Amino acid sequence: DGGITQSPKYLFRKEGQNVTLSCEQNLNHDAMYWYRQDPGQGLRLIYYSQIVNDFQKGDIAEGYSVSREKKESFPLTVTSAQKNPTAFYLCATGPTGADTQYFGPGTRLTVL
Amino acid sequence: SQQGEEDPQALSIQEGENATMNCSYKTSINNLQWYRQNSGRGLVHLILIRSNEREKHSGRLRVTLDTSKKSSSLLITASRAADTASYFCATDAGGQFYFGTGTSLTVIP
Repeated sequence: DGGITQSPKYLFRKEGQNVTLSCEQNLNHDAMYWYRQDPGQGLRLIYYSQIVNDFQKGDIAEGYSVSREKKESFPLTVTSAQKNPTAFYLCATGPTGADTQYFGPGTRLTVL
Repeated sequence: SQQGEEDPQALSIQEGENATMNCSYKTSINNLQWYRQNSGRGLVHLILIRSNEREKHSGRLRVTLDTSKKSSSLLITASRAADTASYFCATDAGGQFYFGTGTSLTVIP
């Protein structure tokens, strides 16, 4: 997991609540990514950012929002508009244009 | 979606045997990578093969790439119980990475 951290490890949310997942890196990488993983499934891209103050939607951005105010931080907010938010969320980082991504340990979100 | 698919979905072998898993993808790529994920953890990069390469080795790992068939294979030789994990291929298409559905490997001691 190296220099990329995610918190909390487990998160519980009531229906209708927004919740923010933290992702921090000290690898000095420009690019950061958020993925969602459902049981037995691969990763699906939610949002990515290749530079501070800029980000792009991935394949499943609806119901999610992000910000990139600092190079080190890329928080993900799961809004009440996301109808099925229970999943494992993975943050990743990498140098812009690089071939490899470095993943955090993940946050498991459960909606009660 | 450009997401690839791994085959088989699950694989169970005895320690010491070789494990082969395959990945198919849909579009042209710059490179293809293989990642490993232990249960409930993040992914760890294993090996990368570029679109102009056909085979690459790293320790007990051997990766092949056939761009004409849009497929790749990962071979783990002399498997160990510690190799038990899920394995994903990922393709790089202009700044975004597309992951396959994964192969769950169980190595029985």
